[in-house]
Amino acid sequence: AQRVTQPEKLLSVFKGAPVELKCNYSYSGSPELFWYVQYSRQRLQLLLRHISRESIKGFTADLNKGETSFHLKKPFAQEEDSAMYYCALRLLPNTNAGKSTFGDGTTLTVKP
Amino acid sequence: NAGVTQTPKFRILKIGQSMTLQCTQDMNHNYMYWYRQDPGMGLKLIYYSVGAGITDKGEVPNGYNVSRSTTEDFPLRLELAAPSQTSVYFCASSLGQGGQPQHFGDGTRLSIL
Repeated sequence: AQRVTQPEKLLSVFKGAPVELKCNYSYSGSPELFWYVQYSRQRLQLLLRHISRESIKGFTADLNKGETSFHLKKPFAQEEDSAMYYCALRLLPNTNAGKSTFGDGTTLTVKP
Repeated sequence: NAGVTQTPKFRILKIGQSMTLQCTQDMNHNYMYWYRQDPGMGLKLIYYSVGAGITDKGEVPNGYNVSRSTTEDFPLRLELAAPSQTSVYFCASSLGQGGQPQHFGDGTRLSIL
């Protein structure tokens, strides 16, 4: 069975410092990896996905199949980045109904 | 653009009562999901559906039931509520193609006392 591990429940950095939220996964097939974010009093929403290779709000994440990781990085953290971040692995929709497995989440606090 | 709408937002139930958590989406997504989130934990899949009339169990289905009579609606039914079902419940939907994210509702905070 697939598994997603986010080793840090809490992460605190100062404004302007680099930040890295770790995500490791275990899955025998080809995964689809996502990062979701939940800001205070808002719903869970997509931050970025590995297939897009995009940068959203200054965040990037690279899928490393050798290390089975999908760490989220930002070179200069901002106070508005404070939120709960979830890493998710999604199975291929055509065979597994697109079911997702979520990590336990990391609460990021960016201090002024 | 409403997206995924869940009602109610909060509810307190007594042990043994039943209730239905409503979820509706207006994006014409085929796939819909119900998750529960316990404190400090990630989301656990309860039930999912790949289209109207098709539902299947997820990781933690015991104590719950679902139905999917239309593309838009995917209600979650709790029968004989138990304290272990105290949680935050999230409904989500997505397209069926690869690479598509899930879109979430605001959640329902449910307490069983």
